[in-house]
Amino acid sequence: GAVVSQHPSWVICKSGTSVKIECRSLDFQATTMFWYRQFPKQSLMLMATSNEGSKATYEQGVEKDKFLINHASLTLSTLTVTSAHPEDSSFYICSAISPGTGGGGTQYFGPGTRLTVL
Amino acid sequence: AQSVAQPEDQVNVAEGNPLTVKCTYSVSGNPYLFWYVQYPNRGLQFLLKYITGDNLVKGSYGFEAEFNKSQTSFHLKKPSALVSDSALYFCAVGWPYAGNNRKLIWGLGTSLAVNP
Repeated sequence: GAVVSQHPSWVICKSGTSVKIECRSLDFQATTMFWYRQFPKQSLMLMATSNEGSKATYEQGVEKDKFLINHASLTLSTLTVTSAHPEDSSFYICSAISPGTGGGGTQYFGPGTRLTVL
Repeated sequence: AQSVAQPEDQVNVAEGNPLTVKCTYSVSGNPYLFWYVQYPNRGLQFLLKYITGDNLVKGSYGFEAEFNKSQTSFHLKKPSALVSDSALYFCAVGWPYAGNNRKLIWGLGTSLAVNP
């Protein structure tokens, strides 16, 4: 149980275009999802917290107009990188909190999306 | 400021030897504590968590972690390392049931290399 999928697993796009990444919780309902960015050999950087039915909460320094997050249902959150530029190239990972049993909602992660902007 | 420290960027251990990956934290209250593992070009996999109770928590793949409240530490351990354990390990703390602020505070990660 507690499986999270991401699509696509990798994408290459031209500078100036927009890219949408989907994050789905496959076997549980997730009221809260998170979007992270990870640079090579570096730690996770939380970009935003996505709550179903409400606006995402962005971390300081993350441009909300550039990284659009929509959490329209209890199983789907999307991240759209608008007007992508080479510096947006990165590994994007989503996670979802599983209600779980016995307390302690655990974040379960998707496999990640490798974005390369040419 | 609340923080999680993983003091070692890299840990090297020989296969069959015990391994320890260290984590200390500086947060208020009584957080939940987590360990995750990341293999190359993959998302993170949940290993184990501490909420309350027994200080020694057992998790996936033979890993365990010991919570020490006085030292505010949550070190990850395994009695006998495997080459396949080579990966990036992350420690995190948080309050996943804390209303609108359910995010975790992450350590910077420790790269574990198990040598044959």
